[in-house]
Amino acid sequence: QKEVEQNSGPLSVPEGAIASLNCTYSDRVSQSFFWYRQYSGKSPELIMSIYSNGDKEDGRFTAQLNKASQYVSLLIRDSQPSDSATYLCAVGPGPGRGDMRFGAGTRLTVKP
Amino acid sequence: GAVVSQHPSWVICKSGTSVKIECRSLDFQATTMFWYRQFPKQSLMLMATSNEGSKATYEQGVEKDKFLINHASLTLSTLTVTSAHPEDSSFYICSAVTGGYSTDTQYFGPGTRLTVL
Repeated sequence: QKEVEQNSGPLSVPEGAIASLNCTYSDRVSQSFFWYRQYSGKSPELIMSIYSNGDKEDGRFTAQLNKASQYVSLLIRDSQPSDSATYLCAVGPGPGRGDMRFGAGTRLTVKP
Repeated sequence: GAVVSQHPSWVICKSGTSVKIECRSLDFQATTMFWYRQFPKQSLMLMATSNEGSKATYEQGVEKDKFLINHASLTLSTLTVTSAHPEDSSFYICSAVTGGYSTDTQYFGPGTRLTVL
């Protein structure tokens, strides 16, 4: 079982729609969760971090965390063509157990 | 804040030569930096964790004698690919954490694209 799994996509949504990206993780003691956006040929840039169960909103982005289900998601409202990129879910392990693990990423295309 | 730079941004070298890549935290001190490799259309693969003043911790399957890591200061880590071969051609990305705990947010450098002929 992969440590961090994401829908491989590609995911295509029309401009203005809501894009929903999902991620599950295997390590129950994970405590920190991140969403990164990576444009082709570029390095990842941080979009959101979330540490507690529930929703966290930042502009058009909402991260949702459910530790009981080992599930974290990212919603992008009013999707724009500039949101077209690969979105990486990253999970930090429990205390003292090392560093983040990344999912394979979900490729999102927002069509004008 | 939390800016990480890498140098060079791209490099082309001949097979058998060594290449050094620098990773710098510009506006913060980073006790821990990470080195990743990414092949086309694949996700990030962690190569090693670099801790200031101590030996790097390598992931399973990564040759520590081939990928030399030096974290000599709180703002600089270097990755040297020794005796590079075409299969080492990849996108190398470093990241740094602003806090002293490894699960703090990682900020990524812009990456270095290595092509070995």
